[in-house]
Amino acid sequence: GDSVTQMEGPVTLSEEAFLTINCTYTATGYPSLFWYVQYPGEGLQLLLKATKADDKGSNKGFEATYRKETTSFHLEKGSVQVSDSAVYFCALSPNQGAQKLVFGQGTRLTINP
Amino acid sequence: GAVVSQHPSWVICKSGTSVKIECRSLDFQATTMFWYRQFPKQSLMLMATSNEGSKATYEQGVEKDKFLINHASLTLSTLTVTSAHPEDSSFYICSAILLEQYFGPGTRLTVT
Repeated sequence: GDSVTQMEGPVTLSEEAFLTINCTYTATGYPSLFWYVQYPGEGLQLLLKATKADDKGSNKGFEATYRKETTSFHLEKGSVQVSDSAVYFCALSPNQGAQKLVFGQGTRLTINP
Repeated sequence: GAVVSQHPSWVICKSGTSVKIECRSLDFQATTMFWYRQFPKQSLMLMATSNEGSKATYEQGVEKDKFLINHASLTLSTLTVTSAHPEDSSFYICSAILLEQYFGPGTRLTVT
């Protein structure tokens, strides 16, 4: 079945460091790919998404490119801030909609000043 | 933006009792809501799809008689954990669809 594997955490970085959180997927067909973020005490929020190969999703300085050849959707940010501390989830939807999401296990990110 | 709330945010109940968790879309109507379960340090697992006015669709391996879902209105879905046992202790999260999924903050259930 469809699955998502993401980098185990926790990840701790200093402010202004470069961030990469790896995410790979297994799916039949052509899934849509998502990154969600969960800040402390809040619900998951959509951070960015990509619906087809080579698409790049971006938001709040974060980027991820849908790589079909490597079945990956790695999350990157050039310079992280303390406010980026959160749990990040990679997810896929087997179809073009946002229904029936399959999540990775989440990566806790802590940014120290 | 679209807001989804859950109530309660945490609950402790005794083994054998039932507990109801509410999921509300506060500023939009949602014909479809989802219920997820999250174990510590693990991903969210989809339990069921809640459809307004019809029976919920449960994922494989989820006991429908154990986890009763009622989507009584376009803004409210409830999950009732019946005859709860300690192994039902978990973090339950709902989401509602409005072009994309909007998630509630989750409910921590502890069964003693």
